[in-house]
Amino acid sequence: DADVTQTPRNRITKTGKRIMLECSQTKGHDRMYWYRQDPGLGLRLIYYSFDVKDINKGEISDGYSVSRQAQAKFSLSLESAIPNQTALYFCATSAGRSGQETQYFGPGTRLLVL
Amino acid sequence: AQSVTQLDSHVSVSEGTPVLLRCNYSSSYSPSLFWYVQHPNKGLQLLLKYTSAATLVKGINGFEAEFKKSETSFHLTKPSAHMSDAAEYFCVLNNAGNMLTFGGGTRLMVKP
Repeated sequence: DADVTQTPRNRITKTGKRIMLECSQTKGHDRMYWYRQDPGLGLRLIYYSFDVKDINKGEISDGYSVSRQAQAKFSLSLESAIPNQTALYFCATSAGRSGQETQYFGPGTRLLVL
Repeated sequence: AQSVTQLDSHVSVSEGTPVLLRCNYSSSYSPSLFWYVQHPNKGLQLLLKYTSAATLVKGINGFEAEFKKSETSFHLTKPSAHMSDAAEYFCVLNNAGNMLTFGGGTRLMVKP
């Protein structure tokens, strides 16, 4: 089984709808992240969480919110989806805080906002 | 501020020929640097990482990268491309606190 899973894998929604993307991990890591990927821009950080009680905004948090329900679960919500939020979304996890730890990525959720 | 520039958005090579994917970085601190690969419809997989030990880093699938501080570069190479190497590759900088800065990606195409 995959260490980092994301649901759904694909989602089509309409402008103004609220949607939630979910991430679960079995690696036992404290740190979890949400990124979005747009062509030519690499991945950009939306939110990150260093433990259940620690949530932080990333580079592009506007229009998004997150919830860390447990060490293993980290959800991303779009309160009112808009077309420019169409992207590929990745969840990632890591252990420790030295700055050298590898981040492990889920398979991604492809979101289309009409 | 830190940044990562991947100098080529697309690279095309023939199977069996060398691969060179170029990456330059800007950082105020001693960075950790990574190369990740993304195959179609897959997540990102770590190829290799530099963490201030040896400047020549060997990774999986025959890839390696050399950290050159004087040139602020971390180019990825492989002596002989294989069809299965076709994917998108990301050079990634980790300055501190596990915050990653991604390059824009290089799509590698391998011709038979």
